[in-house]
Amino acid sequence: KQEVTQIPAALSVPEGENLVLNCSFTDSAIYNLQWFRQDPGKGLTSLLLIQSSQREQTSGRLNASLDKSSGRSTLYIAASQPGDSATYLCAVRGYSTLTFGKGTMLLVSP
Amino acid sequence: ETGVTQTPRHLVMGMTNKKSLKCEQHLGHNAMYWYKQSAKKPLELMFVYSLEERVENNSVPSRFSPECPNSSHLFLHLHTLQPEDSALYLCASSQEEGSYEQYFGPGTRLTVT
Repeated sequence: KQEVTQIPAALSVPEGENLVLNCSFTDSAIYNLQWFRQDPGKGLTSLLLIQSSQREQTSGRLNASLDKSSGRSTLYIAASQPGDSATYLCAVRGYSTLTFGKGTMLLVSP
Repeated sequence: ETGVTQTPRHLVMGMTNKKSLKCEQHLGHNAMYWYKQSAKKPLELMFVYSLEERVENNSVPSRFSPECPNSSHLFLHLHTLQPEDSALYLCASSQEEGSYEQYFGPGTRLTVT
């Protein structure tokens, strides 16, 4: 059974810092990995999707990497802003299901 | 209206009530999903529909009953729920069932009293 772990569970940084969120998964037989953002009490917003054949994806200040063989992905956020404050979820797509981590709660202070 | 919408956004119901959650997607997708998000737990997949046929049911209690009348609409019928069923229920859709990007609705915050 696939298990997804996200570290750290919570992170607080001052505005302007670059930061890295980590995601690890136990079964490397995946189709893709997706990073989401969730604001309090809201649904999920897809940030980046990396197919299993890809190594990284970039969107604006966000860069996600995937190392399938080691079961790891990182989400890099450059020049963080208070508006980046949210919970970031990592989800791994296997053959039949999408398995989520518990998320990293990010707070960026002005 | 675009994307994935869910109604109601908030729902409070007693354990003997019957209610329904509604999800609608305007993306022309063929697959739809129900997820449950409880406090301090990862999202849990409940049901998957592809072309209006249920393709997955992750051991969900029968007090949750999904319905997919067409590829744009998905319902979750609720009856005789328990307080531990209180959670955020999220609907998602994707182009096809499988390794496609999923788009999520805003969720329904359900409280069972």
